[in-house]
Amino acid sequence: NAGVTQTPKFQVLKTGQSMTLQCAQDMNHNSMYWYRQDPGMGLRLIYYSASEGTTDKGEVPNGYNVSRLNKREFSLRLESAAPSQTSVYFCASSGALRNTEAFFGQGTRLTVV
Amino acid sequence: AQSVTQLGSHVSVSEGALVLLRCNYSSSVPPYLFWYVQYPNQGLQLLLKYTTGATLVKGINGFEAEFKKSETSFHLTKPSAHMSDAAEYFCAVNSGYSTLTFGKGTMLLVSP
Repeated sequence: NAGVTQTPKFQVLKTGQSMTLQCAQDMNHNSMYWYRQDPGMGLRLIYYSASEGTTDKGEVPNGYNVSRLNKREFSLRLESAAPSQTSVYFCASSGALRNTEAFFGQGTRLTVV
Repeated sequence: AQSVTQLGSHVSVSEGALVLLRCNYSSSVPPYLFWYVQYPNQGLQLLLKYTTGATLVKGINGFEAEFKKSETSFHLTKPSAHMSDAAEYFCAVNSGYSTLTFGKGTMLLVSP
């Protein structure tokens, strides 16, 4: 039972490089999310997708783009990485109702130098 | 708008002592409340949640939390701490929006 799978687990980028973080869930969830976690800041929402074909900005969307490829997959793209994007990124998914919990992947630790 | 405040970025207890992690929320509608735990280098795992009904909610690993509407609180407790409880704990709220809003987290340190 895989749940939410993120790739890669670790990545080092140079400033200005681009990359895509991949996320897939096998729980048939409608909603998917991308969060970033920074020390002392908790988890901050970057983008989310309430259903296949829709995406919306969260609290900190600048510098990121997303694609909801299908119901299972939700990718996060950094077009031109900056040191301020050094963080741990988490993908999550949940059912459609707001009383359902979110299930998280293991995270991607990204360092931009 | 919805928001969560976790009082204390770090809480230290001795093994066997009571654990109390504080969470206060802001919500314009009846909220759904969640506690998550994060062990080092791992993702977040649900401990417990309050949706409707009984205000005292029991979760995994002996943790429980009580929803107090009048105090807008959802504090997490455990009667007796174990070394294995050392982790970071996050309170989260969903109050009518499509997404969860998280607090900044509380690191629980357990000493022998």
